[in-house]
Amino acid sequence: EVQLLESGGGLVQPGGSLRLSCAASGFSLSSYAMNWVRQAPGKGLEWVSFISGGGGTTFYADSLRGRFTISRDDSKNTLFLQMNSLRAEDTAVYYCAKHNVAYYGSGSYVDWWGQGTLVTVSS
Amino acid sequence: DIQMTQSPSSLSASVGDRVTITCRASQSITTYLNWYQQKPGKAPKLLIYAASTLQNEVPSRFSGSGSGTDFTLTISSLQPEDFATYYCQQSYGTPFTFGQGTKVEIK
Repeated sequence: EVQLLESGGGLVQPGGSLRLSCAASGFSLSSYAMNWVRQAPGKGLEWVSFISGGGGTTFYADSLRGRFTISRDDSKNTLFLQMNSLRAEDTAVYYCAKHNVAYYGSGSYVDWWGQGTLVTVSS
Repeated sequence: DIQMTQSPSSLSASVGDRVTITCRASQSITTYLNWYQQKPGKAPKLLIYAASTLQNEVPSRFSGSGSGTDFTLTISSLQPEDFATYYCQQSYGTPFTFGQGTKVEIK
């Protein structure tokens, strides 16, 4: 069974950094693209970032580019999100989400989600 | 960016009711539209992809339709476990935008 286990969340001060990890099991991570999606408390879902299988293609939400970096280590079955210059509005549950294929393409979609890790940005 | 607008934002319904949720895209997304269900404190779950294809093990009371800019999610006979928030998402292009969600509550 597909399992995605996020970690690395916590309380961080504004301007600080945090690195989220997502440990994948039950499938070959290298064969699939991955995403990060976040959800602020009481709010809806917001797509954050995408990385293709192999890591050659990445995309970011426009509001985040330059502060967040997505990466992957397929040898360790792990996805990462490096978050810098954090702001109060970055407070959210961050979900690791598996794509249905390895590449970016119209019509591809997220088919599995982890349980999320909470990031709180506050002084 | 493609904007996704769901309606209604919330609805109250009874077990056994037929429920329809609408999602509208700000431009044509052909059939690159997905629906997710999220229960409180839980991760979202894929229900329907490509506008009308049911994900494995999703009950057949769920169905999706539409193309271009207008889409619907229908629950033919609402069950107690269906009370949740539903989100549409376009996968036509990045950013992969979501609708704001529709909360289905018990009447």
